[in-house]
Amino acid sequence: DAGVTQSPTHLIKTRGQHVTLRCSPISGHKSVSWYQQVLGQGPQFIFQYYEKEERGRGNFPDRFSARQFPNYSSELNVNALLLGDSALYLCASSLVYKGLAGEYTGELFFGEGSRLTVL
Amino acid sequence: DQQVKQNSPSLSVQEGRISILNCDYTNSMFDYFLWYKKYPAEGPTFLISISSIKDKNEDGRFTVFLNKSAKHLSLHIVPSQPGDSAVYFCAASAGAGGTSYGKLTFGQGTILTVHP
Repeated sequence: DAGVTQSPTHLIKTRGQHVTLRCSPISGHKSVSWYQQVLGQGPQFIFQYYEKEERGRGNFPDRFSARQFPNYSSELNVNALLLGDSALYLCASSLVYKGLAGEYTGELFFGEGSRLTVL
Repeated sequence: DQQVKQNSPSLSVQEGRISILNCDYTNSMFDYFLWYKKYPAEGPTFLISISSIKDKNEDGRFTVFLNKSAKHLSLHIVPSQPGDSAVYFCAASAGAGGTSYGKLTFGQGTILTVHP
């Protein structure tokens, strides 16, 4: 079975440019999350989408946006790139369960990431 | 504000011995904790998780212990193998016992090296 796939794997941009990163979740997973991992740090939560709706947003500026498509794939867009946006961008998918207290997601399955370098 | 902390940047152990990786958290709303392993050029891979209603969860060579009063959890790997050499991340979430719609707060990671 295919895991979470991300594209592109590596890309180089210059300051001020725009970038679009893409993610295809594991088949059957309807929840997709995006994380930014700066060198030497743990992944930091950016967005989470479930059933094409934004369900959570981390502490990132409005230059960061995302969306989820009917097939549950997702795009992360970053405008007006800054040098500090250089990082590994990780996409993760998960199942969503319905419990007594409501819906909750299981463990996240990560893709290999998109390495963005901003010059 | 670092809500999940892994204070040891690295750990080196001999093959066959026990590896103990530690993690502290500050947010009392966290109720679900996970450990991930990451190899270079790969995404993090889920290892093991524990809900706040438990204090121990075991899966093969991996055991996670949770001490809620101390806001501390640890991952024990016994016996350690050279293939376990990787970066280990502790992560936590708040809400409904799961990963709160995929929002995890990660620690900085600990580099584990297992020597043959």
